[in-house]
Amino acid sequence: GNSVTQMEGPVTLSEEAFLTINCTYTATGYPSLFWYVQYPGEGLQLLLKATKADDKGSNKGFEATYRKETTSFHLEKGSVQVSDSAVYFCALRYGGATNKLIFGTGTLLAVQP
Amino acid sequence: NAGVMQNPRHLVRRRGQEARLRCSPMKGHSHVYWYRQLPEEGLKFMVYLQKENIIDESGMPKERFSAEFPKEGPSILRIQQVVRGDSAAYFCASSDTGGPREETQYFGPGTRLLVL
Repeated sequence: GNSVTQMEGPVTLSEEAFLTINCTYTATGYPSLFWYVQYPGEGLQLLLKATKADDKGSNKGFEATYRKETTSFHLEKGSVQVSDSAVYFCALRYGGATNKLIFGTGTLLAVQP
Repeated sequence: NAGVMQNPRHLVRRRGQEARLRCSPMKGHSHVYWYRQLPEEGLKFMVYLQKENIIDESGMPKERFSAEFPKEGPSILRIQQVVRGDSAAYFCASSDTGGPREETQYFGPGTRLLVL
């Protein structure tokens, strides 16, 4: 079946460090891929997305490239800030009759000043 | 443009009571999705509705759970005879259409249900 696997957290970094959160997926066909961010006590916000192979999604300094050959969609940021502390979810959607999102378990990022 | 609204934000129920969760989609959106987030877990899809129709309920428990999205008014997720295992955050999302690959789901702030 379709699934998403994320690296386990928590990930603890110092401010201005480089961030990578790994995400791999298993899916039939060609899913769309997403990163969502959840700040404490809030709902999910779309961070970035990519809808086909080799697409790069980017937003607020975060980037992720849809790699079909490695079935990956790793999230990266060159210099994290304390305000980036949150839980990050990788997700896929493969359309068809339903547009349900399939989420990874989430990765907690804690950035220390 | 107001985002997805959910209420209540927090709901406490005793075992055996009913819980009713409401979701108002973004203006102009006619597709609603419900997800459940159990403690320390990711979100799991429950049900996908359009106005007056259930499109996919493959993630809904077979008993005690029901959902509707009437022609007028918010979408309702109803849990009858709640048990402690129903304690979770329930998120609603909406989208403009259900078809295009590029369509984005926008999430509400969630309802955190605690069953005592």
